[in-house]
Amino acid sequence: GENVEQHPSTLSVQEGDSAVIKCTYSDSASNYFPWYKQELGKGPQLIIDIRSNVGEKKDQRIAVTLNKTAKHFSLHITETQPEDSAVYFCAARGGFKTIFGAGTRLFVKA
Amino acid sequence: NAGVTQTPKFQVLKTGQSMTLQCAQDMNHEYMSWYRQDPGMGLRLIHYSVGAGITDQGEVPNGYNVSRSTTEDFPLRLLSAAPSQTSVYFCASSYSWVEHIQETQYFGPGTRLLVL
Repeated sequence: GENVEQHPSTLSVQEGDSAVIKCTYSDSASNYFPWYKQELGKGPQLIIDIRSNVGEKKDQRIAVTLNKTAKHFSLHITETQPEDSAVYFCAARGGFKTIFGAGTRLFVKA
Repeated sequence: NAGVTQTPKFQVLKTGQSMTLQCAQDMNHEYMSWYRQDPGMGLRLIHYSVGAGITDQGEVPNGYNVSRSTTEDFPLRLLSAAPSQTSVYFCASSYSWVEHIQETQYFGPGTRLLVL
């Protein structure tokens, strides 16, 4: 079945450094790739997304890249801040179903 | 708008008991879905619905039933709870599932279920 692999599972960075989370998907029919941030005790919240006809998208300190040929997509957070500490999920959707990665716990040390 | 609401926030069940997790949205979204979240496994799709009267299975449907009688509500039923169903359950909704048509999913706050 469809699968999304996400790495690393844990990431610790110093405040001000960059953080990169990488995902690989298996279903070549996937056409929509959202990224979610989940804070403790809350539901996931969309932070950025990218569609299959776009290679890169940026929103302030957050950027996503997509390589459809390699079935890779990545999240880049620059100038990290302590409030960026959370669990981040990548996901891939094709048709009716969205498949999520296992998540990355990001720690930003002040 | 209240967005996506879920009740209860926390529930303890005994093995074999039944219960219904409630989910409602006030955004007139056609697509609704249920996920379970377990440590180290991300979110796994249980069931989804593309409109009132239409439901289908996701990745892990066994042990769960759903129905969609109205656009707003999408309850999840556990007919005979098992310890393996201990998890955090999230409901989500989106305006559409069609590419380029507001397919962003909005999640509720979750229901934490413990089955003893």
